[in-house]
Amino acid sequence: EVHLLESGGGLVQPGGSLRLSCTASGFTFSNYAMAWIRQVPGKGLEWVSAIGGGVTDNPGTYYADSVKGRFTISRDNSETTVFLQMNTLRAEDTALYYCAKTAGENFNGFGERLDYWGQGTLVTVSS
Amino acid sequence: DIQMTQSPSSLSASVGDRVTITCRASRSVSTYLNWYQQKGGKAPNLLIYGASSLESGVPSRFSGSGSGTEFTLTINSLQPEDFATYYCQQSYSTPLITFGGGTKVELK
Repeated sequence: EVHLLESGGGLVQPGGSLRLSCTASGFTFSNYAMAWIRQVPGKGLEWVSAIGGGVTDNPGTYYADSVKGRFTISRDNSETTVFLQMNTLRAEDTALYYCAKTAGENFNGFGERLDYWGQGTLVTVSS
Repeated sequence: DIQMTQSPSSLSASVGDRVTITCRASRSVSTYLNWYQQKGGKAPNLLIYGASSLESGVPSRFSGSGSGTEFTLTINSLQPEDFATYYCQQSYSTPLITFGGGTKVELK
């Protein structure tokens, strides 16, 4: 059974940093691209970032314009964990952050879908 | 970016009803369109991918159709567990995937 468990959320002041983690189990982690999606409580879904899978030391990384230059995604296949380093946080980054598994190895082709999601970790940016 | 617009934003229906939700893309996404269900406080769950393919384990009362810029999600014979919010998501302009604003299906 696929399981994704996010952690690392919390309350941080504007301009601060947080590092989110998502530990996966139940599938061959290295074979799949992984993504982060966020949701302001009561609002819609926004894709944040994704990282490719496969046998490579340099997987592709992708970011929404709203976080480019501030967030960094990475993965540790030996620990079956994907990370999201969030710097220079803003009030508008406040959201529930979900980790999701994609159905494919890369995240740069047509037809990507998010077939498993974690339960999310809440990030609150406020003074 | 490709904008995704869902309609209606909410609807009221009864158990046993047939429900149709529409998703429109600002430009063609071919059939690279997915649908998700999100129940209160839970993570989204993939229902339909490639516009019309049913994800494994999803009841057959859910179906999807469409191509280009207009898509529909249909729920035949709405069940109590189907009251939720539904989102479409385009995967044509990957990696810049985008979601629709959601459609909340409520009990009439």
